[in-house]
Amino acid sequence: QSALTQPPSASGSPGQSVTISCTGTSSDIGGYNYVSWYQQHPGKAPKLMIYEVSKRPSGVPDRFSGSKSGNTASLTVSGLQAEDEADYYCSSYADSSYVFGTGTKVSAL
Amino acid sequence: QLQLQESGPGLVKPSETLSLTCTVSGGSISSSSYYWGWIRQSPGRGLEWIGSIYYSGTTHYNPSLKSRVTISVETSKNQFSLKLTSMTAADTAVYYCAREVGNRSGYSYWGQGTLVTVSS
Repeated sequence: QSALTQPPSASGSPGQSVTISCTGTSSDIGGYNYVSWYQQHPGKAPKLMIYEVSKRPSGVPDRFSGSKSGNTASLTVSGLQAEDEADYYCSSYADSSYVFGTGTKVSAL
Repeated sequence: QLQLQESGPGLVKPSETLSLTCTVSGGSISSSSYYWGWIRQSPGRGLEWIGSIYYSGTTHYNPSLKSRVTISVETSKNQFSLKLTSMTAADTAVYYCAREVGNRSGYSYWGQGTLVTVSS
């Protein structure tokens, strides 16, 4: 069970869009529609932003959207805001377990 | 509003067993059809799923930790617990307890986390 692969960092100007990729295998992302995304600010617990590939929990702005193609999932933050600066982790269900991504630090330039 | 709170020692000696408890408030552990999980994060590192438990006692574990992990539930106390044996410095991490948003769908409720340091 290897960690899902994410780029270490991503950035954009306020108001722009940022997309983060998350690459797995056919045993995790490619095999299930159970991809989730988490936002984590320093010293805080992760916050669920997207579940089941593209669903948003109540209270999460619609600027956050998720998608999946094959073994790769993506999180897009549209209209980037300063408070979106954080670490983002993807996760996938995989045969009675979960695997997390390596994490991406998003910066609003 | 559902709340989760981890409790346990902040310092564990090498080779000893870590015991953590997650206390759930604002809802019953046995009335929800969700798995309750443990996730950890080593300093400056990413998240690692440890395992999960259903209120009936059914468990699932990370294959890489399976030989050292036991997760149990005590519905009368609205708690679930983690035991991790043979602790080493590599197990130093913030340990979180959490509840799924839906079956297999990820975790929507998280505790604040508790830092566990392994050192003699």
